[in-house]
Formats: sequence, structure tokens, C-alpha cells
Amino acid sequence: GAVVSQHPSWVICKSGTSVKIECRSLDFQATTMFWYRQFPKQSLMLMATSNEGSKATYEQGVEKDKFLINHASLTLSTLTVTSAHPEDSSFYICSARAGLAGGSAGQETQYFGPGTRLLVL
Amino acid sequence: DAKTTQPTSMDCAEGRAANLPCNHSTISGNEYVYWYRQIHSQGPQYIIHGLKNNETNEMASLIITEDRKSSTLILPHATLRDTAVYYCIVRLQGAQKLVFGQGTRLTINP
Repeated sequence: GAVVSQHPSWVICKSGTSVKIECRSLDFQATTMFWYRQFPKQSLMLMATSNEGSKATYEQGVEKDKFLINHASLTLSTLTVTSAHPEDSSFYICSARAGLAGGSAGQETQYFGPGTRLLVL
Repeated sequence: DAKTTQPTSMDCAEGRAANLPCNHSTISGNEYVYWYRQIHSQGPQYIIHGLKNNETNEMASLIITEDRKSSTLILPHATLRDTAVYYCIVRLQGAQKLVFGQGTRLTINP
């Protein structure tokens, strides 16, 4: 399957600082990328959907000014957690989808990155 | 997207077939069934998906009932590395997002 990478794999920061997480599709062009968050012993929660070259669509309850998403190219999306606080500590996972809506089933599959563990002290 | 129901947890002996059920009784005609799994502290891994017909790949088989209201993921010869949380997700073809439920925690025992 297609490969999605994330960087960094883990990060520790002080409260009040901003953290940027990168998500890259390594062997395909991702028209759409997604950002999820996962707290311990819970399922993945979708935070936002970003299409290349346009503004991200945030899920209800996710603050767009706190979680800045940029999808400037077909292979890179970034999530910046601004003014991070301890409650933002979580496992952040991106995924990427290739192709266009209505394309072949293989193009519709979402592939996930390995995740970034954020700890805010 | 249609909601799915999965058992919270299951156990299976190593070397045996692991059969993971999923109920999606409200599925509509153009919704696909996707299966992903998440091994501890990793991102989800795509396993397989299907619409109506049974599907098989190198990882697993997907059996979808004729009325499409339920499906079963089969791992034919489970190994210890198959221990993970398995998510069954129903999604419209071309829909933007995957919404995860709680999944089934599958433990493969030696």
C-alpha cells in the first residue's frame, strides 16, 4: 500500500509553545489529507479535512485558530498546535487519500501515517 | 455514513482463523465496508474493503452477507503480530472522511 510519513514521531514541549507536525505522502499525490487525534484507550477522532490549496474543514468542537492546518502541496500537510497546553497532549495521526471522488476503489483508500505523540508539560 | 457495531474484544489462538464480525444493518447501497487495524501506538493500517462481493487479499478475507447488513473479516492463520484493534467502517464511495468507532480488540494467544 501507499506510504504516509509523519515528523516528528514524538515531541515534548512546554506549555504555551507551538508545535508543528508534518505529514507527507511518499509515493502518491494526496488530494485530501485528514488529521485525527487519539487519547489513551479511545478511538481516533477526526479533527479536520484538508484539500490541497484550500482551507481545511474542521469538525465540530475543534478550534481552527488553535489547530492550524496547511496543505500547500499534494504531498505535504502540516498541523500546528498553537499555544499548546497539557490537555493537548495526545497522539496525532494524519491520513492521506489519493485520487478524486468517484475514482477507482483503489484510489479512494485512506492511508495513515505512524502518528506523532505530543506531550505538553 | 451508516453506523457499525462490533464486539468490544475477542481472543483467538495463534495459528487459528480469526473471524471478526461487524454489524451494519443501516448500510445503504452505495456504501463500502472498510476494515482497518491499529497495533498499539501506531497509525491505523488498511486491511481490505468491499461493496457486495467477498474480497480476499494477502492480509485477509472479507465476507459480506447477501443483504449487506453484516460482514466478517477473516484472518486465516492468526499470528501474535495480528494482536490489534480492528475497525469496521462504512463509508460512501468518494466520501471525504472515515469515522472510527470503538473497534474490536483482538488478542492472539500463543
